[in-house]
Amino acid sequence: DSGVTQTPKHLITATGQRVTLRCSPRSGDLSVYWYQQSLDQGLQFLIQYYNGEERAKGNILERFSAQQFPDLHSELNLSSLELGDSALYFCASSVGTGKGTEAFFGQGTRLTVV
Amino acid sequence: AQSVAQPEDQVNVAEGNPLTVKCTYSVSGNPYLFWYVQYPNRGLQFLLKYITGDNLVKGSYGFEAEFNKSQTSFHLKKPSALVSDSALYFCAVRDWGRNYGQNFVFGPGTRLSVLP
Repeated sequence: DSGVTQTPKHLITATGQRVTLRCSPRSGDLSVYWYQQSLDQGLQFLIQYYNGEERAKGNILERFSAQQFPDLHSELNLSSLELGDSALYFCASSVGTGKGTEAFFGQGTRLTVV
Repeated sequence: AQSVAQPEDQVNVAEGNPLTVKCTYSVSGNPYLFWYVQYPNRGLQFLLKYITGDNLVKGSYGFEAEFNKSQTSFHLKKPSALVSDSALYFCAVRDWGRNYGQNFVFGPGTRLSVLP
């Protein structure tokens, strides 16, 4: 168990809908990362927050947004969902943003858009 | 931008034999390299990292990795493979953005199958 908790584990929704994925980082970790894993794109970095502030942005679509709250949990909001958004979404956390700091991953949320 | 490559989609090895999963990197500046493993329906688990120092890095579950600067490689190794090592392995490098943020850039993954 990595200590990173993601909910829900599975989500099935229809095209055009909006969903929210939740992540609780390990105790003491200030940095949260979101990744999307799909068969054709591999692991794609979406966005990083550190202590409530956005720090790095990857290939995140405009339909997607995220935030990190004062209690350090984070939410990823996906709207106007398309079939191609079906993927495994991972959250990871690390204690800081040092280059040598490893991140610990949650078990992911499997999103299926039908 | 930083990147890593994993030249093999699949590696098959017999149980008890040594295993190697290959990774090469392309970075500007000093590399910060990581190996992660993903078991079916699970998240990624951290195995080991290279920051600086000894070129041979030891990690979890008996894995180690050899950093080679001249060949820009960071290959994952284990002296004796177990069937339970069968999983998807990812090499990753740290990248950094404008606002002092950092993220991990992952390779495409290598599926390791250890045959009994």
